[in-house]
Amino acid sequence: SQKIEQNSEALNIQEGKTATLTCNYTNYSPAYLQWYRQDPGRGPVFLLLIRENEKEKRKERLKVTFDTTLKQSLFHITASQPADSATYLCALDGGRNTGFQKLVFGTGTRLLVSP
Amino acid sequence: DSGVTQTPKHLITATGQRVTLRCSPRSGDLSVYWYQQSLDQGLQFLIQYYNGEERAKGNILERFSAQQFPDLHSELNLSSLELGDSALYFCASSGRLAGGIGELFFGEGSRLTVL
Repeated sequence: SQKIEQNSEALNIQEGKTATLTCNYTNYSPAYLQWYRQDPGRGPVFLLLIRENEKEKRKERLKVTFDTTLKQSLFHITASQPADSATYLCALDGGRNTGFQKLVFGTGTRLLVSP
Repeated sequence: DSGVTQTPKHLITATGQRVTLRCSPRSGDLSVYWYQQSLDQGLQFLIQYYNGEERAKGNILERFSAQQFPDLHSELNLSSLELGDSALYFCASSGRLAGGIGELFFGEGSRLTVL
């Protein structure tokens, strides 16, 4: 069955360090992979999108890698700040098999950045 | 502010009742997506509409239905409510359809509590 796995345990890091979050998937062939940030009780906010033929994407302090062979994406926040504390969700479209129009989310990883 | 408006923000009702959640997408966006988020299941894709037509379906119960109107707003109808339907219901919109999903813009959600 199709699965998107993100570490359910919270990631605790110190301010200034690099946070690395992992997203693994099985039985998907996505055309895109997206990352969102969600604060408690709020709607997810889009951060980055990476295509299947792209290895890496950057935006300010954020970096995403996408390895379709390993079926894994890594999400990095460099020089992390307490304001980066939130839950980070990865999302895949259904791809050629399930359909491009479904965007399916992982359960997210909570990041806590302490001063 | 994502530009996506959801009403009501909070709703408390009893088992067996029916409720309607409303979503106005960002100006110009033709696609509307509905998601359910509960504590134990993460963000679950329910259904997607594009310019009034259903385009993708997820794990939407038969007791739930949705539609998108000519003015592009959408409604999610939940009937014969059960305790397990208590959740945050998010609407999202997107401007892109061809070739895959672009970024989604989420509303702030409607929190449904079934007693």
